[in-house]
Amino acid sequence: ETGVTQSPTHLIKTRGQQVTLRCSSQSGHNTVSWYQQALGQGPQFIFQYYREEENGRGNFPPRFSGLQFPNYSSELNVNALELDDSALYLCASSSSGRTTGELFFGEGSRLTVL
Amino acid sequence: DQQVKQNSPSLSVQEGRISILNCDYTNSMFDYFLWYKKYPAEGPTFLISISSIKDKNEDGRFTVFLNKSAKHLSLHIVPSQPGDSAVYFCAARGQGAQKLVFGQGTRLTINP
Repeated sequence: ETGVTQSPTHLIKTRGQQVTLRCSSQSGHNTVSWYQQALGQGPQFIFQYYREEENGRGNFPPRFSGLQFPNYSSELNVNALELDDSALYLCASSSSGRTTGELFFGEGSRLTVL
Repeated sequence: DQQVKQNSPSLSVQEGRISILNCDYTNSMFDYFLWYKKYPAEGPTFLISISSIKDKNEDGRFTVFLNKSAKHLSLHIVPSQPGDSAVYFCAARGQGAQKLVFGQGTRLTINP
Protein backbone atom coordinates (compact mmCIF):
# COMPACT_ATOMS: atom_id res chain seq x y z
CA GLU A 1 0.00 0.00 0.00
CA THR A 2 1.55 3.31 -1.09
CA GLY A 3 1.35 6.09 1.47
CA VAL A 4 0.73 9.80 0.99
CA THR A 5 3.60 11.54 -0.76
CA GLN A 6 4.17 15.27 -1.03
CA SER A 7 6.51 17.43 -3.06
CA PRO A 8 8.59 19.43 -2.69
CA THR A 9 9.64 18.76 0.90
CA HIS A 10 11.20 22.20 1.35
CA LEU A 11 11.03 25.42 -0.61
CA ILE A 12 11.81 29.09 -0.20
CA LYS A 13 9.83 31.85 -1.86
CA THR A 14 9.70 35.61 -1.59
CA ARG A 15 6.72 37.72 -0.66
CA GLY A 16 4.29 38.20 -3.55
CA GLN A 17 5.31 35.05 -5.39
CA GLN A 18 3.09 32.06 -6.10
CA VAL A 19 3.66 28.46 -5.03
CA THR A 20 2.23 25.06 -6.01
CA LEU A 21 2.47 22.09 -3.68
CA ARG A 22 1.67 18.57 -4.79
CA CYS A 23 0.23 15.50 -3.11
CA SER A 24 -0.36 11.90 -4.13
CA SER A 25 -2.99 10.24 -2.02
CA GLN A 26 -2.74 6.79 -0.49
CA SER A 27 -3.95 4.08 -2.84
CA GLY A 28 -7.67 3.44 -2.47
CA HIS A 29 -8.33 6.90 -1.01
CA ASN A 30 -10.58 9.30 -2.92
CA THR A 31 -10.55 12.31 -0.60
CA VAL A 32 -7.69 14.74 -0.07
CA SER A 33 -7.45 17.44 2.60
CA TRP A 34 -4.85 20.14 3.07
CA TYR A 35 -3.74 21.52 6.41
CA GLN A 36 -1.43 24.35 7.39
CA GLN A 37 0.72 23.89 10.49
CA ALA A 38 2.38 27.05 11.75
CA LEU A 39 5.30 26.76 14.13
CA GLY A 40 4.17 25.66 17.59
CA GLN A 41 0.56 25.16 16.49
CA GLY A 42 -1.63 22.26 15.49
CA PRO A 43 -2.60 21.69 11.86
CA GLN A 44 -5.37 23.95 10.59
CA PHE A 45 -7.83 22.81 7.92
CA ILE A 46 -7.50 24.64 4.61
CA PHE A 47 -9.87 22.65 2.37
CA GLN A 48 -10.87 19.21 1.22
CA TYR A 49 -11.34 17.76 -2.26
CA TYR A 50 -13.62 14.90 -3.17
CA ARG A 51 -14.34 13.77 -6.73
CA GLU A 52 -12.33 16.70 -8.07
CA GLU A 53 -14.46 19.31 -6.31
CA GLU A 54 -13.86 21.40 -3.21
CA ASN A 55 -15.86 19.82 -0.42
CA GLY A 56 -15.38 22.05 2.59
CA ARG A 57 -13.11 24.99 3.32
CA GLY A 58 -11.56 26.43 6.43
CA ASN A 59 -10.92 30.06 7.29
CA PHE A 60 -8.39 30.77 4.55
CA PRO A 61 -8.54 33.55 1.91
CA PRO A 62 -9.29 32.85 -1.77
CA ARG A 63 -5.61 33.13 -2.69
CA PHE A 64 -5.41 29.60 -1.30
CA SER A 65 -6.81 27.34 -4.01
CA GLY A 66 -6.58 23.73 -4.99
CA LEU A 67 -7.23 21.04 -7.51
CA GLN A 68 -7.90 17.34 -7.42
CA PHE A 69 -7.18 15.18 -10.44
CA PRO A 70 -8.97 12.03 -11.69
CA ASN A 71 -6.29 9.86 -10.05
CA TYR A 72 -7.14 11.61 -6.73
CA SER A 73 -3.81 13.42 -6.51
CA SER A 74 -4.04 17.06 -5.57
CA GLU A 75 -2.37 20.46 -5.73
CA LEU A 76 -2.42 23.38 -3.34
CA ASN A 77 -1.77 26.78 -4.88
CA VAL A 78 -1.05 29.91 -2.91
CA ASN A 79 -0.90 33.26 -4.69
CA ALA A 80 0.54 36.56 -3.50
CA LEU A 81 2.56 34.92 -0.76
CA GLU A 82 2.79 36.67 2.59
CA LEU A 83 5.34 36.20 5.35
CA ASP A 84 2.68 34.54 7.54
CA ASP A 85 2.23 31.82 4.93
CA SER A 86 5.50 30.33 6.15
CA ALA A 87 4.44 26.96 7.57
CA LEU A 88 4.38 23.22 7.10
CA TYR A 89 1.69 22.27 4.60
CA LEU A 90 0.28 18.82 5.19
CA CYS A 91 -1.73 16.75 2.78
CA ALA A 92 -3.96 14.01 4.13
CA SER A 93 -5.96 11.39 2.31
CA SER A 94 -8.92 9.34 3.39
CA SER A 95 -11.68 7.17 2.04
CA SER A 96 -15.14 8.67 1.88
CA GLY A 97 -16.50 5.41 3.22
CA ARG A 98 -14.49 5.63 6.39
CA THR A 99 -16.49 6.53 9.47
CA THR A 100 -13.78 6.90 12.06
CA GLY A 101 -12.40 10.22 10.81
CA GLU A 102 -8.87 8.89 10.52
CA LEU A 103 -6.68 10.77 8.06
CA PHE A 104 -3.40 9.58 6.62
CA PHE A 105 -0.85 12.37 6.39
CA GLY A 106 2.16 12.91 4.20
CA GLU A 107 5.40 14.27 5.65
CA GLY A 108 4.55 17.78 4.53
CA SER A 109 6.03 20.59 2.46
CA ARG A 110 7.84 23.21 4.48
CA LEU A 111 7.39 26.63 2.91
CA THR A 112 9.50 29.60 3.93
CA VAL A 113 8.46 33.04 2.67
CA LEU A 114 11.13 35.74 2.84
CA ASP B 1 -11.98 30.36 18.59
CA GLN B 2 -9.95 27.38 19.75
CA GLN B 3 -12.44 24.50 19.85
CA VAL B 4 -9.84 21.93 20.84
CA LYS B 5 -7.25 22.83 23.46
CA GLN B 6 -4.20 21.09 24.83
CA ASN B 7 -3.16 23.25 27.73
CA SER B 8 0.17 21.57 28.42
CA PRO B 9 2.78 22.46 25.79
CA SER B 10 5.18 19.89 27.20
CA LEU B 11 5.35 16.87 29.50
CA SER B 12 8.34 14.95 30.81
CA VAL B 13 7.92 11.40 32.12
CA GLN B 14 10.33 8.76 33.32
CA GLU B 15 10.64 5.61 31.24
CA GLY B 16 8.33 2.88 32.52
CA ARG B 17 5.89 5.28 34.18
CA ILE B 18 2.49 6.39 32.93
CA SER B 19 2.16 9.36 30.57
CA ILE B 20 -1.16 11.22 30.65
CA LEU B 21 -1.91 13.77 27.96
CA ASN B 22 -5.00 15.91 28.26
CA CYS B 23 -7.32 17.64 25.83
CA ASP B 24 -10.41 19.81 26.25
CA TYR B 25 -13.01 20.73 23.66
CA THR B 26 -15.92 23.11 23.44
CA ASN B 27 -18.10 21.77 20.61
CA SER B 28 -20.59 19.16 21.82
CA MET B 29 -21.30 18.16 18.19
CA PHE B 30 -17.92 16.46 17.77
CA ASP B 31 -18.54 12.74 17.17
CA TYR B 32 -15.02 11.31 16.91
CA PHE B 33 -11.86 12.13 18.77
CA LEU B 34 -8.43 11.09 17.63
CA TRP B 35 -4.85 11.24 18.84
CA TYR B 36 -1.99 11.70 16.43
CA LYS B 37 1.71 11.41 17.10
CA LYS B 38 4.29 13.45 15.22
CA TYR B 39 8.03 13.00 14.99
CA PRO B 40 10.23 15.79 13.57
CA ALA B 41 10.32 15.90 9.76
CA GLU B 42 7.41 13.46 9.52
CA GLY B 43 3.69 13.88 9.08
CA PRO B 44 1.31 13.11 11.94
CA THR B 45 0.50 9.43 12.31
CA PHE B 46 -2.75 8.12 13.69
CA LEU B 47 -2.51 6.57 17.13
CA ILE B 48 -5.95 5.85 18.53
CA SER B 49 -9.52 7.15 18.31
CA ILE B 50 -12.74 7.07 20.26
CA SER B 51 -16.35 7.55 19.25
CA SER B 52 -18.45 9.99 21.23
CA ILE B 53 -20.74 7.10 22.21
CA LYS B 54 -17.95 5.42 24.17
CA ASP B 55 -15.96 6.48 27.21
CA LYS B 56 -12.88 4.33 26.79
CA ASN B 57 -10.88 2.73 24.01
CA GLU B 58 -7.75 0.69 24.51
CA ASP B 59 -5.05 -0.44 22.10
CA GLY B 60 -2.04 -2.08 23.66
CA ARG B 61 -0.16 0.48 25.77
CA PHE B 62 -2.49 3.28 24.70
CA THR B 63 -5.87 4.07 26.24
CA VAL B 64 -8.07 7.04 25.48
CA PHE B 65 -10.73 8.18 27.95
CA LEU B 66 -13.61 10.45 27.04
CA ASN B 67 -15.62 12.44 29.58
CA LYS B 68 -18.42 14.05 27.57
CA SER B 69 -19.95 15.93 30.48
CA ALA B 70 -16.62 17.64 31.12
CA LYS B 71 -15.77 17.86 27.40
CA HIS B 72 -12.43 16.33 28.21
CA LEU B 73 -10.38 13.49 26.85
CA SER B 74 -7.08 12.02 27.86
CA LEU B 75 -4.51 9.66 26.42
CA HIS B 76 -2.76 7.28 28.77
CA ILE B 77 0.46 5.57 27.74
CA VAL B 78 1.70 2.83 30.02
CA PRO B 79 4.46 1.90 30.33
CA SER B 80 6.11 4.88 28.62
CA GLN B 81 9.05 4.09 26.34
CA PRO B 82 11.77 6.34 24.88
CA GLY B 83 10.27 5.88 21.40
CA ASP B 84 7.10 7.57 22.66
CA SER B 85 8.95 10.90 22.74
CA ALA B 86 7.10 13.00 20.15
CA VAL B 87 4.50 15.72 19.81
CA TYR B 88 0.97 14.46 20.43
CA PHE B 89 -2.03 16.15 18.87
CA CYS B 90 -5.60 15.74 19.98
CA ALA B 91 -8.14 16.14 17.16
CA ALA B 92 -11.91 16.13 16.87
CA ARG B 93 -14.33 15.62 14.02
CA GLY B 94 -17.79 17.09 13.60
CA GLN B 95 -20.69 14.92 12.55
CA GLY B 96 -20.68 14.11 8.84
CA ALA B 97 -17.42 15.94 8.25
CA GLN B 98 -13.96 14.66 7.49
CA LYS B 99 -12.35 17.89 8.61
CA LEU B 100 -10.38 17.49 11.82
CA VAL B 101 -9.94 20.26 14.36
CA PHE B 102 -6.57 19.93 16.09
CA GLY B 103 -5.25 21.07 19.41
CA GLN B 104 -1.91 22.86 19.68
CA GLY B 105 -0.02 19.72 20.61
CA THR B 106 1.89 18.48 23.66
CA ARG B 107 5.57 17.58 23.41
CA LEU B 108 6.14 14.39 25.39
CA THR B 109 9.67 13.54 26.48
CA ILE B 110 10.40 10.15 27.99
CA ASN B 111 13.53 10.19 30.13
CA PRO B 112 15.59 7.01 30.58
